[in-house]
Amino acid sequence: DADVTQTPRNRITKTGKRIMLECSQTKGHDRMYWYRQDPGLGLRLIYYSFDVKDINKGEISDGYSVSRQAQAKFSLSLESAIPNQTALYFCATRRTGGVEAFFGQGTRLTVV
Amino acid sequence: TQLLEQSPQFLSIQEGENLTVYCNSSSVFSSLQWYRQEPGEGPVLLVTVVTGGEVKKLKRLTFQFGDARKDSSLHITAAQPGDTGLYLCAGPTNAGGTSYGKLTFGQGTILTVHP
Repeated sequence: DADVTQTPRNRITKTGKRIMLECSQTKGHDRMYWYRQDPGLGLRLIYYSFDVKDINKGEISDGYSVSRQAQAKFSLSLESAIPNQTALYFCATRRTGGVEAFFGQGTRLTVV
Repeated sequence: TQLLEQSPQFLSIQEGENLTVYCNSSSVFSSLQWYRQEPGEGPVLLVTVVTGGEVKKLKRLTFQFGDARKDSSLHITAAQPGDTGLYLCAGPTNAGGTSYGKLTFGQGTILTVHP
């Protein structure tokens, strides 16, 4: 089983719909991150959390919200999806004091 | 804002050729990482360089950290089709009151090695 699991893997939704992407991890890491990947733009940080009570905005948080339900779970919501939110979304974890980030397999989201 | 710029964005070569990918910044980084991403998967760490001037080798891949810790390079010798993928450099950046809590990525280099 993957250490960082994202659900769903693929999703097509309509403009204006609310959608939630979920991430769970078994690595026991405190730090969790949501990134968005677009061609030619690398990975851009949406939100990050250092523990259950700590949520921080990244570079591109507008239009997104997150919830850290437990140490192991970090979900990303699009309150009212729009077509330019079509992208590949990745959840990642890091151990406090650690260097390496561990990524899930990604969620491909299409907003039509 | 600490930014990382990678070049080239695309690289298409024949099997057996050598190549170099660059990762540059105007800011100093405490360390830089290189990740590789295959289609349908998340990025996976290849190496972390920490000391200015450091050189690390991973089979046919050679990673170098600049003396001033503002740049890094990835050199592949005798590329093989299995090296095809997206290569990303990344570095830790400050986040609020916590040092180096974020990881900033370059735009990535898409490498295609043709048989």
